[in-house]
Amino acid sequence: NAGVTQTPKFQVLKTGQSMTLQCAQDMNHEYMSWYRQDPGMGLRLIHYSVGAGITDQGEVPNGYNVSRSTTEDFPLRLLSAAPSQTSVYFCASSYSRDREAFFGQGTRLTVV
Amino acid sequence: GDSVTQMEGPVTLSEEACLTINCTYTATGYPSLFWYVQYPGEGLQLLLKATKADDKGSNKGFEATYRKETTSFHLEKGSVQVSDSAVYFCALSPNDYKLSFGAGTTVTVRA
Repeated sequence: NAGVTQTPKFQVLKTGQSMTLQCAQDMNHEYMSWYRQDPGMGLRLIHYSVGAGITDQGEVPNGYNVSRSTTEDFPLRLLSAAPSQTSVYFCASSYSRDREAFFGQGTRLTVV
Repeated sequence: GDSVTQMEGPVTLSEEACLTINCTYTATGYPSLFWYVQYPGEGLQLLLKATKADDKGSNKGFEATYRKETTSFHLEKGSVQVSDSAVYFCALSPNDYKLSFGAGTTVTVRA
């Protein structure tokens, strides 16, 4: 099993550009989520989904959109990148709240 | 709201030293508690967990006990190795799937 796969691993964007961070899991997990990791702040939840067709906002959703058309995929869209969105982004999935969350290897995004 | 406070780092130890990373939480109800570890250049992976009061999670020589009376979940290891160098995150999950993370503690073990 591949687990949780994120692409790309690295990305540099100019302010105002848009892009989509891809996330796919092959474990048939219903719950998927996106976090951003910033120094000294741990991981903060951006958006999450409890199943196909269902998404909701986390702690820091502004500037990001998500959709969940299939169980496997949960892309994160930046509509107009800003330097404040420079961060490392992690996608995660889990089977239930008491089961462990599986994380992708992360996408390091720099907005200049 | 739910939150996690963990000991600030960085922490530098010699091999075979004892490690303790303090973690306290604020939550309503009875959350599940986790320790995740992030090795350099990698994503997070679960180290151990506890789902109810007085449970002890253990893995790879690490232990943590869910203490409801002190709202704590401290991580301990009796003898660390160089391979334990990583960032450690305490996290909680309340009555839904969302995880709340502490800020992370960077641990460096020197040979």
